[in-house]
Amino acid sequence: DVKVTQSSRYLVKRTGEKVFLECVQDMDHENMFWYRQDPGLGLRLIYFSYDVKMKEKGDIPEGYSVSREKKERFSLILESASTNQTSMYLCASTSRGLAPSSYEQYFGPGTRLTVT
Amino acid sequence: DQQVKQNSPSLSVQEGRISILNCDYTNSMFDYFLWYKKYPAEGPTFLISISSIKDKNEDGRFTVFLNKSAKHLSLHIVPSQPGDSAVYFCAASEGTGGFKTIFGAGTRLFVKA
Repeated sequence: DVKVTQSSRYLVKRTGEKVFLECVQDMDHENMFWYRQDPGLGLRLIYFSYDVKMKEKGDIPEGYSVSREKKERFSLILESASTNQTSMYLCASTSRGLAPSSYEQYFGPGTRLTVT
Repeated sequence: DQQVKQNSPSLSVQEGRISILNCDYTNSMFDYFLWYKKYPAEGPTFLISISSIKDKNEDGRFTVFLNKSAKHLSLHIVPSQPGDSAVYFCAASEGTGGFKTIFGAGTRLFVKA
């Protein structure tokens, strides 16, 4: 049973705190993603990584950074949390290649982050 | 500018009837389209997909239709079951790997028993 796990399901942080969200996948996938999900906006891509130590900005990278030191692990960092970063954060992974299966993303259960 | 739009935030259907969820897109470079299903407190899970070279793909109770000229796709669920109640996200991809995948805002489906 393939899995993407996220370190926390619920998190409450104060404004200005540094926040770490961790994601681990056991599918040996090359590609990993961080999204945030907000009502009426769907899933928006924050950052993605296509290999260890490689990272690319997504559509909304401001206020976030990422780290990928190992293939299975992708971390999202909020350097100084703000209230507008209160959201559901979803990690996902895909395999590399041209097969249709490489379009399909496997998601973790999400982390509901509240910044007060 | 939303490249993928799901104009209906919610849909309510009677058990046993057909559910039709719609999705419109603007980018003609999208070559693959996917539907994901999301239950509360869980991450989205892949449901069904279709390549841009096809106009229909069927998997059990789920069928996705693609109309490229209208830049429109739809998900049909027949018959609908209460367990289908969830949020459904339409997604469109340009190339493999998920790097250029755009998600719609989602449609919440309620299937009434």
